[in-house]
Amino acid sequence: EVQLVESGGGLIQPGGSLRLSCAASGFTVSSHYMSWVRQAPGKGLEWVSVIYSGGTTYYADSVKGRFTISRDNAKNTLYIQMNSLRAEDTAVYYCARDRAAVGTFDYWGQGTLVTVSS
Amino acid sequence: DIQMTQSPSSLSASVGDRVTITCQASQGISNFLNWYQQKPGKAPKLLIFDASNLETGVPSRFSGSESGTDFTFTISSLQPEDIATYYCQQYDNLPYTFGQGTKLEIK
Repeated sequence: EVQLVESGGGLIQPGGSLRLSCAASGFTVSSHYMSWVRQAPGKGLEWVSVIYSGGTTYYADSVKGRFTISRDNAKNTLYIQMNSLRAEDTAVYYCARDRAAVGTFDYWGQGTLVTVSS
Repeated sequence: DIQMTQSPSSLSASVGDRVTITCQASQGISNFLNWYQQKPGKAPKLLIFDASNLETGVPSRFSGSESGTDFTFTISSLQPEDIATYYCQQYDNLPYTFGQGTKLEIK
């Protein structure tokens, strides 16, 4: 059974850093494109970043230069390192599996809340 | 970036009603469009992929269609468990972009 479990969220001050994890089971992370998608409180969905199976990465303009997506193949885990956090980064962060390397998210984690506030 | 304009933003309907949500892309995206359902406090769930293909296990009352840059999502007979927010999403180009969402309520 495919499962994605995020962790690492919490309350962080503006300018701070946080690393989110997404532990996968039931499939191999490195064989799929994997994305992070976020949702600010009461708002819609925003794609944040993707890592391709070959390792290429892309980011939304809103996080480029501040966030870094990565994976640990041995741990079958996806990460996102978030630096220079801003109030507008406050959101639930979901990791999502791209089924066929085209941008179709067939499995999602339960989400982890990041709150950026002083 | 490709903008996805989704309407309406909210919708109230009765059980058994036919419900339609539309999404318009700011440029051509072929059929590279998905529809997701999100219930409160839960992650989104894929319902329709490639504009009109029903995800495995999703009830057949859900359907999708396309006409140029206009996409339609339909629930043929609304059920109480369909109360949720629905999002369209294009994957023709990065960044992937979502519509603003349609919150569906029971009248």
